Order: sequence, then structure tokens, then C-alpha cells
Amino acid sequence: RKEVEQDPGPFNVPEGATVAFNCTYSNSASQSFFWYRQDCRKEPKLLMSVYSSGNEDGRFTAQLNRASQYISLLIRDSKLSDSATYLCVVSKGGGGADGLTFGKGTHLIIQP
Amino acid sequence: EAQVTQNPRYLITVTGKKLTVTCSQNMNHEYMSWYRQDPGLGLRQIYYSMNVEVTDKGDVPEGYKVSRKEKRNFPLILESPSPNQTSLYFCASGRGGLAGDTQYFGPGTRLTVL
Repeated sequence: RKEVEQDPGPFNVPEGATVAFNCTYSNSASQSFFWYRQDCRKEPKLLMSVYSSGNEDGRFTAQLNRASQYISLLIRDSKLSDSATYLCVVSKGGGGADGLTFGKGTHLIIQP
Repeated sequence: EAQVTQNPRYLITVTGKKLTVTCSQNMNHEYMSWYRQDPGLGLRQIYYSMNVEVTDKGDVPEGYKVSRKEKRNFPLILESPSPNQTSLYFCASGRGGLAGDTQYFGPGTRLTVL
């Protein structure tokens, strides 16, 4: 099983729609979870951290299911500017010196 | 402005010619890391550093060296570059010394080795 697995897409979604994607991870010792956004040829930027209790930031909602080892991201009322690649990111260990593992990303295209 | 800077942004070189990519952060972060990104492979960690004079190998360290003599700088050194090191490189830094904490990325260095 890959460490962090995402559907690469692309997801073609009409503007205004709701879109959701999931990510699964294999390391049960992971403690920190994030979604990053990456625009073409640019650096990844933190979109949001993911907590067991779930968290919401405007149109974006992230959820973590530790038992099933998956993370989700929901985007409501999608905008053209949401077009990007979304990277699921998981810490390698329990907050120690092990770094982060990145998924390969899900490509999202919002169409007018 | 809080940022991570990398230089150069673009570099074309030839096999075997030593090069250094610099990385600097102004956020007083303890943690710094180097990644490479290749089509179909995603971001892979090369080396990371938890603090000054502390460095460790990531997932793909072969062919690379790093040093952390100062907190703000974390240069990536390719002693003898080869074509398979052609890639997009990102430097990142994070606060608090926790590798699992949020990381802030530099703008990237696109390296081509002929």
C-alpha cells in the first residue's frame, strides 16, 4: 500500500458545484495531517490542517478518520480560482524528526 | 515579509559540474527541508534539518549533500550532477522544530542537467 494515496484526477467540475476528494494513508503512527494546494509550476501552499474533530475554513471542510486512515477535503460553491492540484500530506511519525509524506496530488479543474 | 527564498530559480548545467542551490528563511524556523518534484512521483524529501548542525537523510538523499551552519540557511549541494537529477526542487521551513508542523515552501528551483 502506498504511504499516501490520492486519486490523481483530473476532476472537471462546473463552477458553483461541490466537490470532494479523499486520501488514504498507511502509517498508523502519523499524527499531523494537512491539505496543501499547488498551482502549476508554483510552490505548495498550506490550505488547511486536518483534525479528528474536523475543521472548516470558509468554503473548505476537512475531515480525518483515524480508524479508516483517510482524510477528506470538501469544497463548496467552487470558484474558477479553486483550479489547482490538492496535495494530501501526512507526518511520517508521531511529531518527531521524521518529516512529511506528500501524496501525488489530485488535479481539480473548475469549468465556467 | 515572511518568506523562504531560493537561488537560482532556473539553472541549466552539465553533468559533473558541482553546483549549490541556496535556501534562506527569515522566520526563525528550526526545521528546514529539501524536496524534489518529478512528474508522476510527487514531492519526495531529499534531506532535512531539525536545527543548526543537525541534518538527516530523507527518502532520496543519493547524490546530494546539505549543511546547516546557520539557522536561516540550508544549501543543497550537488557534487557531481547527473541527468537523473533534472527536477524541480523546493526548499521548505517549519516552526518549533516539529517535523510534522506546517511547512512553508520556497518558490522552487528548476534544474536541468545535460
